[in-house]
Amino acid sequence: DIQMTQSPSSLSASVGDRVTITCQASQDISNYLNWYQQKPGKAPKLLIYDASNLETGVPSRFSGSGSGTDFTFTISSLQPEDIATYYCQQYDNLPRFGGGTKVEIK
Amino acid sequence: QVQLQESGPGLVKPSQTLSLTCTVSGGSISSGSYYWSWIRQPAGKGLEWIGRIYTSGSTNYNPSLKSRVTISVDTSKNQFSLKLSSVTAADTAVYYCARDSSSWIFDYWGQGTLVTVSS
Repeated sequence: DIQMTQSPSSLSASVGDRVTITCQASQDISNYLNWYQQKPGKAPKLLIYDASNLETGVPSRFSGSGSGTDFTFTISSLQPEDIATYYCQQYDNLPRFGGGTKVEIK
Repeated sequence: QVQLQESGPGLVKPSQTLSLTCTVSGGSISSGSYYWSWIRQPAGKGLEWIGRIYTSGSTNYNPSLKSRVTISVDTSKNQFSLKLSSVTAADTAVYYCARDSSSWIFDYWGQGTLVTVSS
């Protein structure tokens, strides 16, 4: 099974800060990686698919990069409405989600 | 705009079968090359994919749950369903249904329904 290691598990940043989350796969998954945002009490929302493609309607401050085993998710300028938990999800074989990163405002 | 809505009992007794239905609106469940998935999330924990179905009836299941899971589809009602047998407290979670747009990209989700396993 492909394991996903997401880090950090939580972070605190100020409004306007650049925020970076990483996800590492235990083996090469090409670009088969998606990123989701989950606000408390809500369903996850797709933000980025195929590692770097922005889902329609998602603000451009969100971006993704990487391929192979190492992936990065970035919020270029953190906004108050971005407070949420973010999950990576690989799909090289069957889908598996990372452990999540809880983003809070400092 | 596609919408998904889960329904079913919120409380299931241990050893019994959990049954949930997802109703799809805003489009036909049979249109396009979509799969329809179930995903769950225990309180305060991460997401676990359970399984999926194509409208032809073809299914894929998480190997860790495969022996207890059955997913079915009723295209006439625009619904798909989940059955999870022999439940324990470890199956207590929020259960989501989701559309898999292609290759495991979950682009539409239901709001989720909490299922508690308790006597």
